Order: sequence, then C-alpha cells, then structure tokens
Amino acid sequence: KNEVEQSPQNLTAQEGEFITINCSYSVGISALHWLQQHPGGGIVSLFMLSSGKKKHGRLIATINIQEKHSSLHITASHPRDSAVYICAVFFQGAQKLVFGQGTRLTINP
Amino acid sequence: DTGVSQDPRHKITKRGQNVTFRCDPISEHNRLYWYRQTLGQGPEFLTYFQNEAQLEKSRLLSDRFSAERPKGSFSTLEIQRTEQGDSAMYLCASSLENTDTQYFGPGTRLTVL
Repeated sequence: KNEVEQSPQNLTAQEGEFITINCSYSVGISALHWLQQHPGGGIVSLFMLSSGKKKHGRLIATINIQEKHSSLHITASHPRDSAVYICAVFFQGAQKLVFGQGTRLTINP
Repeated sequence: DTGVSQDPRHKITKRGQNVTFRCDPISEHNRLYWYRQTLGQGPEFLTYFQNEAQLEKSRLLSDRFSAERPKGSFSTLEIQRTEQGDSAMYLCASSLENTDTQYFGPGTRLTVL
C-alpha cells in the first residue's frame, strides 16, 4: 500500500528553536512536496524535491531516496511559522498526490 | 493568493440536501484536482481532470458524488443527499500537465447538520 507517514503529529516549541519535521514513505516516488496550511485551510507549496536538498530563507528540506525519508527544518523559528506542515508525494507512475496526516507546529513567543 | 479560487468558502446544509461547489483553476492549467480533508487529517484524493476528461476517481467518491469540468476550465463538485460524514474541507488544486507543482485553492468548508 502506498503510504506517507509524518512525525511528530504535534510539535510545540519556543521562538528561536530549530525545528525538524520528518516524513517517510513506503515505495518509490517521482517527487515529494512540503506544504504549509494555515488556519482557514489555504495550502501553500513550500518545496518540491526529487533528490538532495533545497533551502528557502529559514526553511530547509532534504530527501534521502534510498531511505525513503525527507525532513523539513526551520531555523530560528518564529510564531508566524505556526501552521500545519504536510508532506505529500507522487508515487512512481501515479498522477495524484498522497498526503501525510500533517504536523501541527506551534511556536510560542 | 495562488490564483485558484473556490466558491463558496463555507457551506452549512442539512442532512439530505444537495450541495455544489465550484473551482476556478489558474487559466492555463489543464489539470484540476479535487481533494477532501477531514479535521486533523491530511487531504485525500477524490478525482482529477485533464482538460474536460475525468481521468481518475477515488473509491472515496461514492455514487452520491459527481464532478464535472465541462469546458476544461472551471469544475464543479456536487454531493447529493448529504450525510454528516461528508462534513469536511473540499480542496481544489490545478497544475500544468507533466509538472508536479499543484496550486491549491482556499477550500470550501462543508458542515452537514
């Protein structure tokens, strides 16, 4: 079965802390997305990865194809980073995204 | 604002009523996706269109659900005889064919009483 698992499900941290959210998937993929969802529902794409590492501002995403694992890191976290972060993948040969259950991140001032 | 719009943003209905949602994708995007997201969960795939053709439907899409994209532009998702279990956020996304980046709309939150 094609599955995507995220951990942790909930994460609370203090402003300034380094944050790591993990995503594992079951079989080969063609691409992996990290998405951000704020209260109210809107989803924004942060990164799309098929290999290696990408960085945008304080956000870093990495993927290990052999281990079938990706991480999203946030450096110098800020309360405005509070949101749900969702990992989603295209399994090889598929045309649809399969989503993890999301990680709810709360950054306290 | 991603350029994908959905209407309405919120819908409250009574059990047994029919509801219809609309999605307007980014104009040059030929792929359009519908997803459903229940509270505390990630989105789940419902169906997708390439132009006006509906190419894949999830088993989640029971016979009470129907989606159309008649001219290959906007799409509608209709739920007939709504049930309380249909309460969820219905998300639409669009993309160009052969690209992996999808642009999501703000969603329609359905509450069935």
